[in-house]
Amino acid sequence: DVKVTQSSRYLVKRTGEKVFLECVQDMDHENMFWYRQDPGLGLRLIYFSYDVKMKEKGDIPEGYSVSREKKERFSLILESASTNQTSMYLCASRFHRQGLNTEAFFGQGTRLTVV
Amino acid sequence: AQSVTQLDSHVSVSEGTPVLLRCNYSSSYSPSLFWYVQHPNKGLQLLLKYTSAATLVKGINGFEAEFKKSETSFHLTKPSAHMSDAAEYFCVVSEQYSSASKIIFGSGTRLSIRP
Repeated sequence: DVKVTQSSRYLVKRTGEKVFLECVQDMDHENMFWYRQDPGLGLRLIYFSYDVKMKEKGDIPEGYSVSREKKERFSLILESASTNQTSMYLCASRFHRQGLNTEAFFGQGTRLTVV
Repeated sequence: AQSVTQLDSHVSVSEGTPVLLRCNYSSSYSPSLFWYVQHPNKGLQLLLKYTSAATLVKGINGFEAEFKKSETSFHLTKPSAHMSDAAEYFCVVSEQYSSASKIIFGSGTRLSIRP
C-alpha cells in the first residue's frame, strides 16, 4: 500500500513564526501536492511538484513556499505564519505517466493553528 | 486551464432513496476525473475514477458515475442511500496528457441521510 506520511497531526504556532510541514511518500511517485482544506471551500492547491527540484504554484501560493530536494519528501514552508493560515493541510502524491489516469494518495493531514 | 464545479453544497436524502451528486468540469485536454469521499474526521478515500474505457464507471460501496463529454459532466449516483454514506464528496479533475498536471478539487458536497 502507498503510504503518505505527514510529520505532525496537530501543530500550534505563534504569529510570525516560520513553520515547516513535512511530507514523505514511500512509493517513488513523481508528483507531490500540498493543499489546504477549509469548510465550504474544498481542497485548494497551494503548490505542487512534478519531479525533484521542480515546483509549480497552485491556486493559493501567497504566504507559502515549498522544497523538494529528494523524490520522497515535499516540504511546505510558512515563512511568517499568520492567523489566516490556520487550516487543515493535506499532502498527496501520485505516480504519473502521460495518458495514464492515476489517482492521488493522501496523508492524514496536519491541523495547524496559528495564534 | 482546468476547473470543476460541484453544483450542490449540501444534499439531503432519505435512507433507501437514490443519491445524485452533480459535477461539471472544464479541461483543455482529455480529462482525468475522480470522485473522493471524506467521512467525518477521516482521510480522503478514492470512490472511483474515469478511465476512458467506459463512460459509466463503477466504484466502491455501490456508487457509479457517468462521463458525458457533450455536457462536460461527471455526476455521481447511487440507487439506494445508506446511513453510512453520510460524508463529504469531492469531484476532482486532472489532465492526462500533461507532465505537470495539477489535480483540482471541487468545493465539495455534503451528503446527509435521513432515517
